[in-house]
Parts: sequence; structure tokens; C-alpha cells
Amino acid sequence: QSALTQPASVSGSPGQSITISCTGTSSDVGGYNYVSWYQQHPGNAPKLMIYDVTNRPSGVSNRFSGSKSVNTASLTISGLQAEDEADYYCSSYTSSGTLVFGGGTKLTVL
Amino acid sequence: QVQLQESGPGLVQSSETLSLSCTVSGYSISSGYYWGWIRQPPGKGLEWIGSMHHAGSTDYNPSLKSRVTISVDTSKNQLSLRLSSVTAADTAVYYCARRLGQAFHIWGQGTMVTVSS
Repeated sequence: QSALTQPASVSGSPGQSITISCTGTSSDVGGYNYVSWYQQHPGNAPKLMIYDVTNRPSGVSNRFSGSKSVNTASLTISGLQAEDEADYYCSSYTSSGTLVFGGGTKLTVL
Repeated sequence: QVQLQESGPGLVQSSETLSLSCTVSGYSISSGYYWGWIRQPPGKGLEWIGSMHHAGSTDYNPSLKSRVTISVDTSKNQLSLRLSSVTAADTAVYYCARRLGQAFHIWGQGTMVTVSS
């Protein structure tokens, strides 16, 4: 299985909105509403931010939102804050009954 | 609250078998959920290794399937990972996690494993 495709890096200024894309195929992202997004700060374990494309776990800020169109899922962070600077990973369920991650995106808050 | 803690040797010799445990506290593994292992090579992204349902069914990453075994010891409330014939490419931080549907919502802190030749 091939990793999902994410941009290596994105950046934004405090208060702005940014979007991170996650592109797969009809066998993973496009075929199921099982896309998740994780935030990882250096030296820490990943933290679940979005599951099932659009759902936020309890305690996650509503500044984080998810969406999907065909084979591409997106994570949008609005009202960017310095603490949002981190690596972000998407993942998806696949038609093989497995899970696959994206390569990760480094978010820089300018 | 539910907590996961990975443990095992930090150094494994090339061609040998890597064995890790994940001790779960605050929840009985036999009560439900899928449990999984994910790894992250230094400076690189996350890679799903495999998952196991509390009832015993397993799913593995096809690229690792021939070398991986995930099991559960309900008496110790532990999840285990065995990865055979390791090489330097298996050097990584290894995480255990609990799955909520198809997402990992509770993670351990991770344990670094280095494969030496």
C-alpha cells in the first residue's frame, strides 16, 4: 500500500487559516469516510485531532475542521496560533482492511 | 483514565527478533476495542504496523506481514509486538495505541528501538 500524499510543509501567520491536503485513491480516502488527522509536537506522541473525516474528539479546539472531496481529504486550522506549529499526519482505512498514513506536513506559524 | 506504556529492549541486534510490550492501565483489554502498533523512524513519518481486536483477530501492514506478530496477554493486560529478522530500517520509535473505529485515539509515549549490526 502506498502512503497518502501530503505537502511537506505549509505556513501561516497567527490568526490566519491554513489547509493541509491529503490525497489518496478510491481504494482508501475516496472509498470510505474513515480519514483521521493527527498532530505531533517534537518529542511527543501523536494526538488525534479529527476522525471519520469531520469529527473532533472531545477536548479538541473547534478551530480544527476536516473535510473530503473525492480522493482528497483536508484539515483546516482557523485562527492560527503559535501552539499549532507541529507536524500533521492524515490516515485512512483501505479496501484491504488496513490503515495507511500520509507522509506528514510540517506546519510553521510565522 | 486509560494509559498505555510501551516497554522493551532499546537495542536489538540485526537479524534478531524485536519484542515489545504495551501495558494498559485504566481499562481491561478483554473488554473491547482494537489495539495497534505504529512506528516512526527518526526524522520520518508514521507507519502503521498492525492491529488486533480484543477477541483475537489481527490485521497487518502488508509490507511487514511476513515478519510481524501482534498478540494480547489478558492476564497481564498487555499488548505485545514481535518483529523478526530486523534490520537497520526497523530502527524507530514504536507506539502502541487504542483504536476508536479507524482512528487511534489513545497513544502510549513510545519507545525507541535501535537495530545495530
